[in-house]
Amino acid sequence: GESVGLHLPTLSVQEGDNSIINCAYSNSASDYFIWYKQESGKGPQFIIDIRSNMDKRQGQRVTVLLNKTVKHLSLQIAATQPGDSAVYFCAENSNGGGFKTIFGAGTRLFVKA
Amino acid sequence: ETGVTQTPRHLVMGMTNKKSLKCEQHLGHNAMYWYKQSAKKPLELMFVYNFKEQTENNSVPSRFSPECPNSSHLFLHLHTLQPEDSALYLCASSPKTGPSEKLFFGSGTQLSVL
Repeated sequence: GESVGLHLPTLSVQEGDNSIINCAYSNSASDYFIWYKQESGKGPQFIIDIRSNMDKRQGQRVTVLLNKTVKHLSLQIAATQPGDSAVYFCAENSNGGGFKTIFGAGTRLFVKA
Repeated sequence: ETGVTQTPRHLVMGMTNKKSLKCEQHLGHNAMYWYKQSAKKPLELMFVYNFKEQTENNSVPSRFSPECPNSSHLFLHLHTLQPEDSALYLCASSPKTGPSEKLFFGSGTQLSVL
Protein backbone atom coordinates (compact mmCIF):
# COMPACT_ATOMS: atom_id res chain seq x y z
CA GLY A 1 0.00 0.00 0.00
CA GLU A 2 0.96 3.62 -0.17
CA SER A 3 3.31 4.70 2.61
CA VAL A 4 2.23 7.60 4.76
CA GLY A 5 4.86 9.95 6.04
CA LEU A 6 4.99 11.60 9.42
CA HIS A 7 2.79 14.66 9.10
CA LEU A 8 4.70 17.41 10.84
CA PRO A 9 2.90 20.42 12.23
CA THR A 10 3.84 23.42 10.14
CA LEU A 11 4.24 27.05 11.10
CA SER A 12 4.48 29.71 8.43
CA VAL A 13 5.59 33.20 9.46
CA GLN A 14 6.52 36.40 7.73
CA GLU A 15 10.14 37.46 7.83
CA GLY A 16 10.68 39.82 10.74
CA ASP A 17 7.78 38.46 12.79
CA ASN A 18 8.20 36.47 15.98
CA SER A 19 7.70 32.69 15.90
CA ILE A 20 6.43 30.47 18.67
CA ILE A 21 6.86 26.72 18.42
CA ASN A 22 5.14 24.55 20.99
CA CYS A 23 5.87 21.13 22.35
CA ALA A 24 4.19 18.81 24.84
CA TYR A 25 6.51 16.43 26.63
CA SER A 26 5.59 13.12 28.10
CA ASN A 27 7.53 12.42 31.28
CA SER A 28 6.85 14.51 34.36
CA ALA A 29 10.16 13.26 35.79
CA SER A 30 12.19 14.77 32.92
CA ASP A 31 14.56 17.38 34.27
CA TYR A 32 16.38 18.70 31.23
CA PHE A 33 14.93 19.93 27.96
CA ILE A 34 16.56 20.89 24.71
CA TRP A 35 15.51 22.46 21.43
CA TYR A 36 17.23 21.32 18.25
CA LYS A 37 17.06 22.76 14.75
CA GLN A 38 17.40 20.54 11.69
CA GLU A 39 18.01 22.11 8.31
CA SER A 40 17.62 20.19 5.09
CA GLY A 41 20.48 17.74 4.54
CA LYS A 42 21.89 18.17 8.02
CA GLY A 43 21.59 16.58 11.41
CA PRO A 44 19.85 18.32 14.31
CA GLN A 45 21.80 21.16 15.93
CA PHE A 46 21.50 22.34 19.51
CA ILE A 47 19.76 25.70 19.95
CA ILE A 48 19.00 26.18 23.62
CA ASP A 49 18.34 24.16 26.74
CA ILE A 50 16.59 24.58 30.06
CA ARG A 51 16.57 22.70 33.33
CA SER A 52 13.42 21.85 35.21
CA ASN A 53 14.23 24.27 38.03
CA MET A 54 13.78 27.17 35.61
CA ASP A 55 10.76 28.39 33.68
CA LYS A 56 12.47 30.67 31.19
CA ARG A 57 15.83 30.95 29.52
CA GLN A 58 16.99 33.39 26.87
CA GLY A 59 19.59 33.07 24.18
CA GLN A 60 20.43 35.10 21.14
CA ARG A 61 17.04 35.77 19.49
CA VAL A 62 15.60 32.66 21.11
CA THR A 63 13.74 32.10 24.35
CA VAL A 64 12.58 28.80 25.82
CA LEU A 65 9.66 28.65 28.23
CA LEU A 66 8.89 25.67 30.42
CA ASN A 67 5.55 24.99 32.10
CA LYS A 68 5.95 21.88 34.20
CA THR A 69 2.37 21.97 35.43
CA VAL A 70 1.03 21.13 31.98
CA LYS A 71 4.25 19.55 30.64
CA HIS A 72 4.63 22.16 27.94
CA LEU A 73 7.69 23.66 26.33
CA SER A 74 7.87 26.50 23.83
CA LEU A 75 10.54 28.08 21.67
CA GLN A 76 10.21 31.72 20.75
CA ILE A 77 12.27 33.12 17.89
CA ALA A 78 12.44 36.88 17.64
CA ALA A 79 12.59 38.67 14.29
CA THR A 80 12.42 35.44 12.31
CA GLN A 81 14.76 35.26 9.34
CA PRO A 82 14.77 33.07 6.21
CA GLY A 83 17.71 31.15 7.69
CA ASP A 84 15.44 30.05 10.52
CA SER A 85 13.45 27.85 8.12
CA ALA A 86 13.97 24.31 9.39
CA VAL A 87 12.38 21.55 11.42
CA TYR A 88 12.51 22.20 15.16
CA PHE A 89 12.53 19.38 17.70
CA CYS A 90 12.02 19.54 21.41
CA ALA A 91 13.75 16.82 23.39
CA GLU A 92 13.54 15.69 26.99
CA ASN A 93 16.20 13.98 29.00
CA SER A 94 14.92 11.67 31.68
CA ASN A 95 16.05 8.70 33.69
CA GLY A 96 14.12 5.63 32.68
CA GLY A 97 16.58 2.89 33.54
CA GLY A 98 19.42 5.06 32.29
CA PHE A 99 19.29 8.60 31.02
CA LYS A 100 17.98 9.00 27.50
CA THR A 101 17.21 11.90 25.24
CA ILE A 102 13.79 11.42 23.67
CA PHE A 103 12.75 13.59 20.74
CA GLY A 104 9.35 14.95 19.85
CA ALA A 105 7.89 14.72 16.36
CA GLY A 106 9.11 18.15 15.26
CA THR A 107 7.57 21.30 13.79
CA ARG A 108 8.42 22.63 10.36
CA LEU A 109 8.95 26.38 10.25
CA PHE A 110 8.58 28.23 6.95
CA VAL A 111 9.71 31.84 6.80
CA LYS A 112 8.19 33.92 4.02
CA ALA A 113 10.32 36.70 2.63
CA GLU B 1 30.81 21.68 10.87
CA THR B 2 29.62 19.94 14.01
CA GLY B 3 32.76 17.89 14.59
CA VAL B 4 30.91 14.65 13.86
CA THR B 5 31.53 13.10 10.44
CA GLN B 6 29.46 10.32 8.94
CA THR B 7 30.24 8.26 5.86
CA PRO B 8 28.87 7.47 3.43
CA ARG B 9 26.31 10.27 3.02
CA HIS B 10 24.13 8.05 0.83
CA LEU B 11 23.89 4.27 0.57
CA VAL B 12 21.74 2.02 -1.56
CA MET B 13 21.81 -1.66 -0.74
CA GLY B 14 19.94 -4.82 -1.54
CA MET B 15 18.37 -6.94 1.15
CA THR B 16 21.12 -9.55 0.94
CA ASN B 17 24.02 -7.09 1.12
CA LYS B 18 26.28 -6.36 4.05
CA LYS B 19 27.41 -2.80 4.56
CA SER B 20 28.72 -0.60 7.34
CA LEU B 21 28.10 2.99 8.36
CA LYS B 22 30.94 4.92 9.91
CA CYS B 23 30.96 7.80 12.35
CA GLU B 24 33.91 9.74 13.70
CA GLN B 25 33.87 12.57 16.23
CA HIS B 26 36.65 15.10 16.76
CA LEU B 27 35.20 16.69 19.89
CA GLY B 28 36.87 14.62 22.57
CA HIS B 29 33.52 13.27 23.71
CA ASN B 30 33.06 10.01 25.58
CA ALA B 31 29.56 9.03 24.50
CA MET B 32 28.32 8.13 21.03
CA TYR B 33 24.86 7.34 19.74
CA TRP B 34 22.98 5.96 16.77
CA TYR B 35 19.57 7.42 15.97
CA LYS B 36 17.19 6.47 13.17
CA GLN B 37 15.08 9.13 11.46
CA SER B 38 12.38 7.97 9.08
CA ALA B 39 9.48 9.61 7.33
CA LYS B 40 7.08 7.66 9.53
CA LYS B 41 8.50 8.22 12.99
CA PRO B 42 10.35 10.83 15.00
CA LEU B 43 14.01 10.41 15.85
CA GLU B 44 14.42 6.99 17.43
CA LEU B 45 17.30 6.16 19.72
CA MET B 46 18.97 2.90 18.68
CA PHE B 47 22.22 2.47 20.59
CA VAL B 48 24.31 4.33 23.15
CA TYR B 49 27.97 3.85 23.98
CA ASN B 50 29.68 5.45 26.94
CA PHE B 51 33.46 5.09 27.18
CA LYS B 52 33.27 2.36 24.48
CA GLU B 53 30.77 0.30 26.47
CA GLN B 54 27.25 -0.20 25.15
CA THR B 55 24.80 1.20 27.67
CA GLU B 56 21.62 1.19 25.62
CA ASN B 57 20.09 -1.08 23.00
CA ASN B 58 16.60 0.19 22.33
CA SER B 59 15.18 -3.15 21.19
CA VAL B 60 16.92 -2.88 17.85
CA PRO B 61 16.72 -5.93 15.53
CA SER B 62 19.89 -7.98 15.32
CA ARG B 63 20.33 -7.14 11.64
CA PHE B 64 21.80 -3.90 13.00
CA SER B 65 25.08 -4.49 14.79
CA PRO B 66 26.96 -1.58 16.39
CA GLU B 67 30.67 -1.45 17.08
CA CYS B 68 32.59 1.14 19.10
CA PRO B 69 36.34 0.44 19.01
CA ASN B 70 37.21 3.68 20.81
CA SER B 71 35.47 6.83 22.01
CA SER B 72 36.04 8.59 18.67
CA HIS B 73 34.66 5.98 16.28
CA LEU B 74 31.33 4.27 15.93
CA PHE B 75 30.14 1.83 13.30
CA LEU B 76 26.80 0.37 12.40
CA HIS B 77 27.05 -2.93 10.55
CA LEU B 78 24.06 -3.78 8.41
CA HIS B 79 23.03 -7.17 7.04
CA THR B 80 19.88 -8.65 5.53
CA LEU B 81 17.99 -5.41 5.94
CA GLN B 82 14.36 -4.88 5.00
CA PRO B 83 12.89 -2.11 2.86
CA GLU B 84 11.32 -0.59 5.99
CA ASP B 85 14.83 0.00 7.30
CA SER B 86 15.26 2.73 4.69
CA ALA B 87 15.84 5.92 6.70
CA LEU B 88 18.35 8.56 7.68
CA TYR B 89 20.79 7.15 10.22
CA LEU B 90 22.25 9.79 12.46
CA CYS B 91 25.29 9.51 14.66
CA ALA B 92 25.74 11.81 17.64
CA SER B 93 28.24 12.35 20.40
CA SER B 94 28.14 14.04 23.78
CA PRO B 95 30.69 14.70 26.52
CA LYS B 96 29.05 11.94 28.54
CA THR B 97 25.74 10.20 28.93
CA GLY B 98 23.42 11.01 31.76
CA PRO B 99 21.52 14.09 32.90
CA SER B 100 21.97 17.19 30.78
CA GLU B 101 23.48 15.33 27.86
CA LYS B 102 23.81 17.67 24.90
CA LEU B 103 24.03 15.88 21.56
CA PHE B 104 26.17 16.86 18.60
CA PHE B 105 24.93 15.23 15.40
CA GLY B 106 26.55 14.34 12.13
CA SER B 107 24.75 14.94 8.84
CA GLY B 108 23.60 11.35 8.62
CA THR B 109 23.66 8.51 6.13
CA GLN B 110 20.59 8.30 3.92
CA LEU B 111 20.00 4.58 3.50
CA SER B 112 17.79 3.02 0.86
CA VAL B 113 17.12 -0.72 1.00
CA LEU B 114 15.85 -2.21 -2.23
